Amino acid sequence: DAMVIQNPRYQVTQFGKPVTLSCSQTLNHNVMYWYQQKSSQAPKLLFHYYDKDFNNEADTPDNFQSRRPNTSFCFLDIRSPGLGDAAMYLCATSRDRGLGQGHQPQHFGDGTRLSIL
Amino acid sequence: EDQVTQSPEALRLQEGESSSLNCSYTVSGLRGLFWYRQDPGKGPEFLFTLYSAGEEKEKERLKATLTKKESFLHITAPKPEDSATYLCAVLESQGNLIFGKGTKLSVKP
Repeated sequence: DAMVIQNPRYQVTQFGKPVTLSCSQTLNHNVMYWYQQKSSQAPKLLFHYYDKDFNNEADTPDNFQSRRPNTSFCFLDIRSPGLGDAAMYLCATSRDRGLGQGHQPQHFGDGTRLSIL
Repeated sequence: EDQVTQSPEALRLQEGESSSLNCSYTVSGLRGLFWYRQDPGKGPEFLFTLYSAGEEKEKERLKATLTKKESFLHITAPKPEDSATYLCAVLESQGNLIFGKGTKLSVKP
């Protein structure tokens, strides 16, 4: 019954070693988002895709990249993880961007907890 | 700058002890306010959307209300299974969700 699936749930990588996190959705939503959430902090938007259009937040480090090969899948690539990148990474989807009437909420996966050694 | 502030940061209740969580916001062009529940090690789970001042939504023991500057999540006769972090988020004019840090609720039997 899961609608937004993130893999893996836990990821351990070494300092500076590239890592990729995966998200898939069965909702056929147009928009997919990646958030970073540190302990006791608010989720922070990194970027989103509206269909194939990529939108980067201004303060997202260049170290973070994303790919969306099709409607169902989206990947988060961290090219050279630093200790400060240890966090929970949340993927979310929504039908639209909420700029019209009747906005539908964002649906979240259960996240990938990333640890850096 | 758009901002969402939740209070208190943590709240401990006895089972059956009703209370309210606050979410105050400053945002230009509010398009909606959302409440989510987040359990430890899980992603946020959608609870409510509120669009305009005066609107109210209810679900089991939870009731969300909205004014022009804040929202309240009222919890009536809570049970231990209501223990979680409750996140408030506003949808701003560019279509992004701005989250608060959340209120961690603990309900003791």
